[in-house]
Amino acid sequence: AQTVTQSQPEMSVQEAETVTLSCTYDTSESDYYLFWYKQPPSRQMILVIRQEAYKQQNATENRFSVNFQKAAKSFSLKISDSQLGDAAMYFCAYSSNDYKLSFGAGTTVTVRA
Amino acid sequence: EPEVTQTPSHQVTQMGQEVILRCVPISNHLYFYWYRQILGQKVEFLVSFYNNEISEKSEIFDDQFSVERPDGSNFTLKIRSTKLEDSAMYFCASTKSDSYEQYFGPGTRLTVT
Repeated sequence: AQTVTQSQPEMSVQEAETVTLSCTYDTSESDYYLFWYKQPPSRQMILVIRQEAYKQQNATENRFSVNFQKAAKSFSLKISDSQLGDAAMYFCAYSSNDYKLSFGAGTTVTVRA
Repeated sequence: EPEVTQTPSHQVTQMGQEVILRCVPISNHLYFYWYRQILGQKVEFLVSFYNNEISEKSEIFDDQFSVERPDGSNFTLKIRSTKLEDSAMYFCASTKSDSYEQYFGPGTRLTVT
């Protein structure tokens, strides 16, 4: 079974600063997808960014970018120019041929004004 | 933009009662999923459904759980005899056949008293 590990239960960042959330995963597959989901207090699951394992280029979506290190099985999320609306729980997730998502335990991000 | 919908948003039930959680996936999607999130914990996979049958289920998805696609639009999760530990947020998700990207519904908060 694939496991996803998020070692930071909580992270705090000053508004307009940058924060990086770490995620590692364990798999024997060569083809898979990685995701970061945001869960605000409403508990809706919102897809932030995705990365295909076969792509070497790191994905970016506006202020969100990833650092994908396939050999190290690491997939970190960088939030640049943090905004108050970024405050939420962030989950790293993995998916492979069976399509189901395996989630990490989550990191709570607090943004200080 | 099409979205996954779930009803009800909040369900309160007594222990031992049956509950049915409803989901309407995005219309051209073919894979359907249920996930569970106990308060303060990570999101856990319950079951995946494709071509009118279960593709995979987790160890959480025991005989008390069942899924059904009774018509062309609804996808339901039934819990036959609820237990206190079934209290959680239940998310439905769907995806197209050629994509790993899952679209989540807003969730149903189930409270078992």
